Order: sequence, then C-alpha cells, then structure tokens
Amino acid sequence: GESVGLHLPTLSVQEGDNSIINCAYSNSASDYFIWYKQESGKGPQFIIDIRSNMDKRQGQRVTVLLNKTVKHLSLQIAATQPGDSAVYFCAESNMEYGNKLVFGAGTILRVKS
Amino acid sequence: SAVISQKPSRDICQRGTSLTIQCQVDSQVTMMFWYRQQPGQSLTLIATANQGSEATYESGFVIDKFPISRPNLTFSTLTVSNMSPEDSSIYLCSVEGQGATYEQYFGPGTRLTVT
Repeated sequence: GESVGLHLPTLSVQEGDNSIINCAYSNSASDYFIWYKQESGKGPQFIIDIRSNMDKRQGQRVTVLLNKTVKHLSLQIAATQPGDSAVYFCAESNMEYGNKLVFGAGTILRVKS
Repeated sequence: SAVISQKPSRDICQRGTSLTIQCQVDSQVTMMFWYRQQPGQSLTLIATANQGSEATYESGFVIDKFPISRPNLTFSTLTVSNMSPEDSSIYLCSVEGQGATYEQYFGPGTRLTVT
C-alpha cells in the first residue's frame, strides 16, 4: 500500500543489527513521551512510553532513553527484524497540553534481509 | 488497549462534497481525538471530542469545516465538509488509555482522496 512516510528521514539497518531512532522535542515542560510504530496502511501502534522522572525504560526488545538536558528522546530496537520496518513517531505531552499529544516528524525504518 | 474501528477505510470523493467518517470503540471512553495525517507527514490533532459537550478544535481547524459528533461513550463521527484536493489525507481517531498517563490508541485510519 501507499506509504505515509514518503518525505521522512530514513534509517536502513541490516536484519539482526540494533536500531536507534532519534527524536528532538521542543517543549522543556513536556513530562510524558511515547513512541509509536506505524505500518503501511495502519494506524499508529503504541510501543513504549516514559515519564520525565525517568531517563531509561525497557520493554520487549525496545528501550527508550530520555535526555532532558538536550531535549532528546531515542528508541533502541534490539536485533531488528523485517517486521520492524515501519514509520516511527515520537509524541510528547505535558500538564499544559492536558491529555493532548504533539507528534514529531517521524522516521522510516527499513530492515534489509 | 481498546479495539477501534473506522468506516470507511478509504474513499475517493469529488471536490465540493462532504464525507462523514465513523469511529467505533469496543469500550466506553471519555476522550476521543481526531487527527489528520497528510501524505508523507506526521499526525496533526484536529479536535478533542468529549461525550456530552462540544468538540474542542485546535488552531487552524474550525467546526464548519470539520463538524464532529460524540453521541455516546463508544462512538464519534468526523465530517470533512466542502472538500478540496488539499483535504486528501488519512484521518485517524484515537482514544485515551485507561492508565494514569496520556497514552492514546489509534484506529486504522480513513484514507481520503479528493479529486
């Protein structure tokens, strides 16, 4: 199907390698962050979240790192698989936004077999 | 997480017409959200829809162009009115999670093409 990530930056990795996807956020008051995965033709899928009182959180094969000093968020995927190929978005929120999320630009991850 | 469905999944419409997109959730939720995702871009929030109150629109989006209904805790509609080719996008609904954080869960989206 048509990709929604035609104009987004692309990260290409070899199957089995680790992937690191980066996101810079702009609001220093943001206190909650989420990573989403969007496959072609589907809605965004929740991967992992982190609060601002943490700098690292691990899930299954994924780790999110938060550096509040430089307002940077990263998603690490271990042993990347072809099924990880998708567009990845970070999103942020804070008390000012209430329950609204502000999404980053997105990164295309392509896994080469 | 909630199971969310949207209808239609895609449509091709002529300019000047309107399309109503439906969003159905399998559990009761207070907050529902509507997003637009233009080709090759990220998600932009259109409005927040609470049951029993008027939707709250984000800057750049108005009720006359994107009227929203929220008749109960499991359903919402978004209408794209008087469409132009610039309205060609994916329209997504989402619902709040059940936890204490602000996570949202998304429907599959409606891919709209306006000719």
